[in-house]
Amino acid sequence: QVQLVESGGGVVQPGMSLRLSCVASGFNFGVYGMHWVRQAPGKGLEWVAVIGHDGNYEESADSVKGRFTTSRDNSKNTMYLEMNSLRAEDTAVYYCVRDLGRGNYGDYWGQGSLVTVSS
Amino acid sequence: EIVLTQSPATLSLSPGERATLSCRASQSVGSYLAWYQQTPGQAPRLLIYDASNRATGIPARFSGSGSGTDFTLTISSLEPEDFAVYYCQQRSDRVWTFGQGTKVEIK
Repeated sequence: QVQLVESGGGVVQPGMSLRLSCVASGFNFGVYGMHWVRQAPGKGLEWVAVIGHDGNYEESADSVKGRFTTSRDNSKNTMYLEMNSLRAEDTAVYYCVRDLGRGNYGDYWGQGSLVTVSS
Repeated sequence: EIVLTQSPATLSLSPGERATLSCRASQSVGSYLAWYQQTPGQAPRLLIYDASNRATGIPARFSGSGSGTDFTLTISSLEPEDFAVYYCQQRSDRVWTFGQGTKVEIK
């Protein structure tokens, strides 16, 4: 069965960096685009970034552009989110999401990794 | 950026009743709209994609309709596990946007 497991979250101070990982299993990871979506405590969903199936393209939300970078290693079935210059407003649960196809929707979601940015 | 507006913010209904949720886009998204369900402490689950197609394993009581700027998610008869928050989502130029959510609560 499809599984997505995020890790790497934690508490960091403003201005610091953190790297999240998402390990995929149960499907051919290398043929799917992947996304990051976040949810601040008690708030709605916010799309963060997408990466193409072979890393051929990457796009990110304006709120994180220039600070967050998405990458993937298909040999390890793993996607990464490198987060720099973290701000208090980046505090959220970060979900790893598989693209259903054509970049339109997310059909499988991980359970999320909590990132807290606080001094 | 396309903005999605969901209404109502909260829907108070009893089990067995019909739920009708609305999502309006600031400009046409064609039929490229999805609905997700999120229960407390859980990740979102894809219910409907391309406005009216049920995702794998989704019960027939969930249905979606609409195109252009106005979309509807209907739950024909609410089961106890359906009380949750529902989000609509669209994709434009590789960027996703979500509505703010509708909470379906037990009356």
